[in-house]
Amino acid sequence: EAGVAQSPRYKIIEKRQSVAFWCNPISGHATLYWYQQILGQGPKLLIQFQNNGVVDDSQLPKDRFSAERLKGVDSTLKIQPAKLEDSAVYLCASGGIGLEKLFFGSGTQLSVL
Amino acid sequence: QQQVKQSPQSLIVQKGGISIINCAYENTAFDYFPWYQQFPGKGPALLIAIRPDVSEKKEGRFTISFNKSAKQFSLHIMDSQPGDSATYFCAAGARGYNSGGSNYKLTFGKGTLLTVNP
Repeated sequence: EAGVAQSPRYKIIEKRQSVAFWCNPISGHATLYWYQQILGQGPKLLIQFQNNGVVDDSQLPKDRFSAERLKGVDSTLKIQPAKLEDSAVYLCASGGIGLEKLFFGSGTQLSVL
Repeated sequence: QQQVKQSPQSLIVQKGGISIINCAYENTAFDYFPWYQQFPGKGPALLIAIRPDVSEKKEGRFTISFNKSAKQFSLHIMDSQPGDSATYFCAAGARGYNSGGSNYKLTFGKGTLLTVNP
């Protein structure tokens, strides 16, 4: 079974620039999550999709972050404009309905200079 | 508001020893308590999980102990090995409701960096 694919693995940008991350979940998984993991902390949920609809985006900074999941499969997360405090690892996870068997990708490490 | 408190922040044990990591939660709506293991450069991977209807669950060298009345749960790693060196996160999950419908949501602790010396 292929895992959750994310790209790029690393990204370095200057503040106020924009950046986008891509996620391809495990085939057949209805639920897709984007998490932000700041160094030394646990993952924090940004947004959750079920199929191609948003279920929870209560912790997404909507003035600068946006995400979409086209056709209920791949997803992109965008930051525009980036701030220094956005430096973190952005993790994508997918799973079925519920919380069991949640699989994470390796993440995109973002550095904002 | 930190809903899941994890301790210690870091832990060093000798090979063959027992590693114990503790977590406490506040929200009584939580009904799913997983532990995740994360190696550098990788995403978290599910290690073991428990539901509140049981007090203990064991899988190989890994055991979760759960105390519902105290709202605490812990991970015990028996016969710790250098390959167990990683960051461990506890989490708590509950069903939530919002305008998008109902969803399950995981809240993570801050993590424990475990080092097992050979």
